[in-house]
Amino acid sequence: GAVVSQHPSRVICKSGTSVKIECRSLDFQATTMFWYRQFPKQSLMLMATSNEGSKATYEQGVEKDKFLINHASLTLSTLTVTSAHPEDSSFYICSARALPQGEAFYGYTFGSGTRLTVV
Amino acid sequence: SQQGEEDPQALSIQEGENATMNCSYKTSINNLQWYRQNSGRGLVHLILIRSNEREKHSGRLRVTLDTSKKSSSLLITASRAADTASYFCATDATNTDKLIFGTGTRLQVFP
Repeated sequence: GAVVSQHPSRVICKSGTSVKIECRSLDFQATTMFWYRQFPKQSLMLMATSNEGSKATYEQGVEKDKFLINHASLTLSTLTVTSAHPEDSSFYICSARALPQGEAFYGYTFGSGTRLTVV
Repeated sequence: SQQGEEDPQALSIQEGENATMNCSYKTSINNLQWYRQNSGRGLVHLILIRSNEREKHSGRLRVTLDTSKKSSSLLITASRAADTASYFCATDATNTDKLIFGTGTRLQVFP
């Protein structure tokens, strides 16, 4: 079945530094990838949608200059948290969609998540 | 907010009992999905129900969908301690390319 690999699974960084999280589709081509953030005991909040070769679409309230998303190929999307601060500490999860909308029975595959701690 | 609402927020039951979680959403959908998440871990896809379906079964899981009320329910029968987790509904809305999650239900099953 479709597998999405996300790494690192955990990262601790100092305040002010940048952190890159990678999301790879291992056995399929992902035309669209999604990035979610989850605070403790809360639900997943969609941050942005990225399509290969084009700019990401950010949800309202998400700073595009702070959360840089690059979807350079059909198998790789990256999220870079720039100038990280303690309030950016969260669980980040990516998801990849393989089939065009309207044709997929179940097109979403999730990575295992990255726990970011900014100290 | 696009986010769906789930209730209850938390549910504690004994092993062997049934657990029912409800989800309400706001927009027209292609399908609705249920996921499970163990604490601090990734998501596990449980079941998908399409907008033209009313009920679906998978093992001990039963999902219903009422598009007129924009609501869904997840029933776990004969619960086990290993079912302890958070459960989320997620809607795949029409005319969008996103999966939006509900607020989640934290289920605790006591042995």
